[in-house]
Amino acid sequence: DGGITQSPKYLFRKEGQNVTLSCEQNLNHDAMYWYRQDPGQGLRLIYYSQIVNDFQKGDIAEGYSVSREKKESFPLTVTSAQKNPTAFYLCASSPHQSSYEQYFGPGTRLTVT
Amino acid sequence: EDKVVQSPLSLVVHEGDTVTLNCSYEVTNFRSLLWYKQEKKAPTFLFMLTSSGIEKKSGRLSSILDKKELFSILNITATQTGDSAVYLCAVEPPNFGNEKLTFGTGTRLTIIP
Repeated sequence: DGGITQSPKYLFRKEGQNVTLSCEQNLNHDAMYWYRQDPGQGLRLIYYSQIVNDFQKGDIAEGYSVSREKKESFPLTVTSAQKNPTAFYLCASSPHQSSYEQYFGPGTRLTVT
Repeated sequence: EDKVVQSPLSLVVHEGDTVTLNCSYEVTNFRSLLWYKQEKKAPTFLFMLTSSGIEKKSGRLSSILDKKELFSILNITATQTGDSAVYLCAVEPPNFGNEKLTFGTGTRLTIIP
């Protein structure tokens, strides 16, 4: 079945450690996105990539980094520079030039203590 | 900066009631307005609206866009407990190839049996 997967579902880290969240899709979509969701707030865009080996910062990119070496994969690294990393992270993908068809993964809940 | 505001923030109704969720936006220009349903974890796509005054319908859900007054509504009739979720509204920018969406804060709908 085609879809988008994120792992792990829950992640716990100590403050000061970098952590990488996985996002994989087998939908042959060109575009991929990372969002962050906090209580009482809408989804906020962290990074997005429209094509392999290219990505752009979203609205809240500080403290995060991404790579897009393969079409299927768009991992997100939460670095120690991110001041408030505890959140629910959602990855999405969409066919090229059709961003309304955003297919979302199940999400990763990251807790940093 | 584009802004999307949803109201109410939360709503609790009894099963069988009809609800109307509101989405207003301050966006100079956009390609489409989108509604998503988020239950448990990842949002799922509901509607895309591009033209003013044309109702989109899917079962008990319907939505309409008013470009003059800059708002959209999502109606759910004969609500069921399975309708309990956060409903997100988003606007898609007009620039071809720009894949970013601007989301509202969402409306949390709770249906009491």
